[in-house]
Amino acid sequence: GAGVSQSPRYKVTKRGQDVALRCDPISGHVSLYWYRQALGQGPEFLTYFNYEAQQDKSGLPNDRFSAERPEGSISTLTIQRTEQRDSAMYRCASSLEQGVEQYFGPGTRLTVT
Amino acid sequence: AQSVTQPDIHITVSEGASLELRCNYSYGATPYLFWYVQSPGQGLQLLLKYFSGDTLVQGIKGFEAEFKRSQSSFNLRKPSVHWSDAAEYFCAVGPILTGGGNKLTFGTGTQLKVEL
Repeated sequence: GAGVSQSPRYKVTKRGQDVALRCDPISGHVSLYWYRQALGQGPEFLTYFNYEAQQDKSGLPNDRFSAERPEGSISTLTIQRTEQRDSAMYRCASSLEQGVEQYFGPGTRLTVT
Repeated sequence: AQSVTQPDIHITVSEGASLELRCNYSYGATPYLFWYVQSPGQGLQLLLKYFSGDTLVQGIKGFEAEFKRSQSSFNLRKPSVHWSDAAEYFCAVGPILTGGGNKLTFGTGTQLKVEL
C-alpha cells in the first residue's frame, strides 16, 4: 500500500515568508509525528498527534512553528516568518495507535534564503 | 533525559566484509531500541527493533543487532556487506508515551561507504 507522503519535496523560500509543509500518513495510522533533521544530524522530534489531538509539542523550537491535524489524517506543519536557521529536512512519520514502529515519509527539504 | 551516541561518523568497508555499527544509549529504564537506514532521496526505513526478550534481534536485509544492558549498547551487525548497503544508519531510542505513541531520540548517524 501507499506509504507516508509529504509535499512539497523541496521548498525554497525567502526569509520572512511563511511556509506550510504537508504530511499524508499511511491509511489507518492514527499517530503522526513531525521531526526536523539538520545536515549531519539525526532527526529531532518536533510534535506528535494522536488522531486530531496534538499530544506533545515540546519539540517545537519557538512560537513561529505550529502544526495541525484537523480531521485526524493529513497534517500541516507551518513555519511563520522563516529564518535561515529553519533550513533543514522536515520529516513526517506515522504509526498505528499504540504502535511503536514509525513509518517515515521522504521528507521536505526546506531552504530559506 | 534519553540520549543516543553513535561514535563513528563515517565507516568504510569492503564489499563482502563484515560490519558492526556502534550505538550507545542513555535511558532510565528498559528502552525501546531501533535501527533505521536512510538512503539518498529516501525516507528512513526501519531495519530492526528491540522491545524485550531475546537480546539478539534479526532485521531486514540480513542485519542483526544485539542489546547489551550492561554496556548500554545496541550495535548493528551484518556478516557480509553488499554494495547496496551504502547509506546512512541511525540508531534511535524511545519510550512509550502516555496514551500511546513513541517519541524517538536519534543518534547523529553513521555514514557507511562500501568499497568494491
